[in-house]
Amino acid sequence: GESVGLHLPTLSVQEGDNSIINCAYSNSASDYFIWYKQESGKGPQFIIDIRSNMDKRQGQRVTVLLNKTVKHLSLQIAATQPGDSAVYFCAENRGSQGNLIFGKGTKLSVKP
Amino acid sequence: DTEVTQTPKHLVMGMTNKKSLKCEQHMGHRAMYWYKQKAKKPPELMFVYSYEKLSINESVPSRFSPECPNSSLLNLHLHALQPEDSALYLCASSPAGGRGTTDTQYFGPGTRLTVL
Repeated sequence: GESVGLHLPTLSVQEGDNSIINCAYSNSASDYFIWYKQESGKGPQFIIDIRSNMDKRQGQRVTVLLNKTVKHLSLQIAATQPGDSAVYFCAENRGSQGNLIFGKGTKLSVKP
Repeated sequence: DTEVTQTPKHLVMGMTNKKSLKCEQHMGHRAMYWYKQKAKKPPELMFVYSYEKLSINESVPSRFSPECPNSSLLNLHLHALQPEDSALYLCASSPAGGRGTTDTQYFGPGTRLTVL
């Protein structure tokens, strides 16, 4: 798999490899984070979430890691498939009104 | 029913037209949201309705007018739009009325709006 730097807009991986998508957040008071997947022409689709009292959460083929010390969030996708090709957004929930602040997004392309 | 639906999927309108976007959810969610998304950009929050009352208006121009007729429906009325308002308009809903920071938002497929 590939490890990417922060704010990289695109990531290209080989089918079957692991993908890592990174996200930085700015507000240390944010206590809930969500990863969304957005395919072309569709709305964002919920993938996985994590609360600030956790540092790792696993789903089906996906893992989210949270490092509150450096305010960094990552999404790991195992055995990346062509269907994983999409733009991935991290989002942080800062306030009691449910305001979601989205990151810039990373476009994942999977090569067969 | 575990989805948010939006109609129409595509809309083309002139600057003098009046049109409406519709959003519906039957998950019993108590908050509903409108977002605007320009190409290659993240969604930007426009309005939040919590328990059918407008709780957040992110300084959106008055040519966009939201309406929440009941807990399952959300409309966005459009009038005298500008070409720069062309975008994907997304609706979302969340279970807990937007209260509490762990209230997850679920999105609809969006309406692709083009203003001529």
